[in-house]
Amino acid sequence: QSALTQPASVSGSPGQSITISCTGTSSDVGAYDYVSWYQQHPGKAPKLMIYDVSNRPSGVSNRFSGSKSGSTASLTISGLQADDEADYYCISYTSSSTLMVFGGGTKLTVL
Amino acid sequence: QVQLVESGGGVVQSGRSLRLSCAASGFTFRNYGMHWVRQAPGKGLEWVAIIWHDGINRKYADSVKGRFTISKDNSKNTLYLEMSSLRAEDTAVYYCGRIGYDTNSHPIDYWGQGTLVTVSS
Repeated sequence: QSALTQPASVSGSPGQSITISCTGTSSDVGAYDYVSWYQQHPGKAPKLMIYDVSNRPSGVSNRFSGSKSGSTASLTISGLQADDEADYYCISYTSSSTLMVFGGGTKLTVL
Repeated sequence: QVQLVESGGGVVQSGRSLRLSCAASGFTFRNYGMHWVRQAPGKGLEWVAIIWHDGINRKYADSVKGRFTISKDNSKNTLYLEMSSLRAEDTAVYYCGRIGYDTNSHPIDYWGQGTLVTVSS
């Protein structure tokens, strides 16, 4: 099972919006609405930002939103803030022999 | 408050075994499924294994299937990862995580701080 495909890096200025894509296949992202997104700051444990494509856990800013089209899920961050600078990972349920598969991660730089 | 504390990491020779533990507190452990997720130095996250709340159903990543065993002792509020036939590519920080929502996304709402496993040749 190959990892989901994410861009290695994205960047944006404070106040702008950015979108991170997560491309899978008809066995994972394309087949199920079971995609989650995690934020990870250096040296820290990941933090859940979105689950089930677009559901936001309590306490997560509404500047974070998720969507999906076909086999590509997306995480959009609006009103970029300095603290949003981090690595972001998508993960999907998969029908393959392994149950879950992560994306390779995207480093977000706030300029 | 919910706490997950991993232990058992360290330096181990290639081919040997190691057992990681994840002590849970602040919630009713027997009601929750759990994950192990790892991160090699400077690399991305890799899903390792999942166990359902009852400790019966388990799934593994292909990279560890047949070598790693996930288990949970609901009487001790502890999650385990038994790792055998360790390889250099198993070197990573290992995180345990609680499944926070009842969905096939199995999302992790609480994470431990991680424990480093280094496999030396």
